[in-house]
Amino acid sequence: DAKTTQPPSMDCAEGRAANLPCNHSTISGNEYVYWYRQIHSQGPQYIIHGLKNNETNEMASLIITEDRKSSTLILPHATLRDTAVYYCIVRVLSNQGGKLIFGQGTELSVKP
Amino acid sequence: SAVISQKPSRDICQRGTSLTIQCQVDSQVTMMFWYRQQPGQSLTLIATANQGSEATYESGFVIDKFPISRPNLTFSTLTVSNMSPEDSSIYLCSVPGGTSGRGETQYFGPGTRLLVL
Repeated sequence: DAKTTQPPSMDCAEGRAANLPCNHSTISGNEYVYWYRQIHSQGPQYIIHGLKNNETNEMASLIITEDRKSSTLILPHATLRDTAVYYCIVRVLSNQGGKLIFGQGTELSVKP
Repeated sequence: SAVISQKPSRDICQRGTSLTIQCQVDSQVTMMFWYRQQPGQSLTLIATANQGSEATYESGFVIDKFPISRPNLTFSTLTVSNMSPEDSSIYLCSVPGGTSGRGETQYFGPGTRLLVL
């Protein structure tokens, strides 16, 4: 799986949009971009994933650049409960389920 | 989504002893994964456990240290053997999910917090 690069930490004001960047310049054509988050003392939680089109769900939006070398996770209205470590992961989907290779992630602090 | 429970949720152990961690899933899954998260670090995959076959270990992890059992499609155990303080970590199990059968998502258990003295 390709590696990703994320800023180690970010701050965001409550109610504002949180934009978390991720670089994955060596991504392969069949690798998806995944985002997970880990709230303190809990197991990681799936947020969203995409291949090349932008994606949106009830939690977040994922914007992938046209060359697929970077992406941005957007939390449109961050709350204090969104404070967590956010992991950007690239991986291939397979019939075997696939394993996740975690980088260091971005520690997002949402402040009142 | 899958609901995953782990036992124990935390433990304090003496060096040289072993601890077996249990992972129970509320649905049948072919694959289960075991991860370790050392203090202040990201998650590292230990091994992949398939039902009916030997677990596949990642580089740096060996079966003698982390034996895994997978007796059925809803249960797995990870044993941390001959523990040292360096084994103090959170141990998490996970299973693939999603509707296509290709594991679009993964669900994680709450983790087992281990402190070795």
